[in-house]
Amino acid sequence: GEQVEQRPPHLSVREGDSAVITCTYTDPNSYYFFWYKQEPGASLQLLMKVFSSTEINEGQGFTVLLNKKDKRLSLNLTAAHPGDSAAYFCAVSRTNTGKLTFGDGTVLTVKP
Amino acid sequence: GPKVLQIPSHQIIDMGQMVTLNCDPVSNHLYFYWYKQILGQQMEFLVNFYNGKVMEKSKLFKDQFSVERPDGSYFTLKIQPTALEDSAVYFCASSSRGGEEQYFGPGTRLTVL
Repeated sequence: GEQVEQRPPHLSVREGDSAVITCTYTDPNSYYFFWYKQEPGASLQLLMKVFSSTEINEGQGFTVLLNKKDKRLSLNLTAAHPGDSAAYFCAVSRTNTGKLTFGDGTVLTVKP
Repeated sequence: GPKVLQIPSHQIIDMGQMVTLNCDPVSNHLYFYWYKQILGQQMEFLVNFYNGKVMEKSKLFKDQFSVERPDGSYFTLKIQPTALEDSAVYFCASSSRGGEEQYFGPGTRLTVL
């Protein structure tokens, strides 16, 4: 089955710095890709979805890059602020079932 | 954004008892999911459900687990009997179509003693 590897497991940056989280996946039939943010004790908040036809998506303060050739998905937080401190999870899905396979998560700490 | 509700938020029960976790999905969604997250660990897929049927389940979805959504009411996960290793946070999610973005509920923290 699908394997999703996420790096790094922990990341600490200063306010204003950028933070990059990367996931690699194994199933070439994966079609939908997601990034979720989870604050302590809370549920998952959808940050961005990326389809196989899209390579770069920009959100509020972050960029998502999908490289299908390398089976790599990355989340780049530009100018991180303390409110970005949370766990971030990538997730991969195949269209026909909707089952999400998650990465192990990255705990991001943004220091003032 | 779309809201998924889960009841209860916390449940403490003795090993061997039955528990039912309830999920109120986004109103026009047709696909429903349960995930399990042990503290500090990865979110893991349990089962997905569409049109009254289980579409796919993982190895974590043991024989003691069952799901249903009778007549458009709550989407439920029942565990009977519970075991110590069932202690975790269980998240419900829903989506409009398979593969589309899933919206997650706040989770039910289950503690089996």
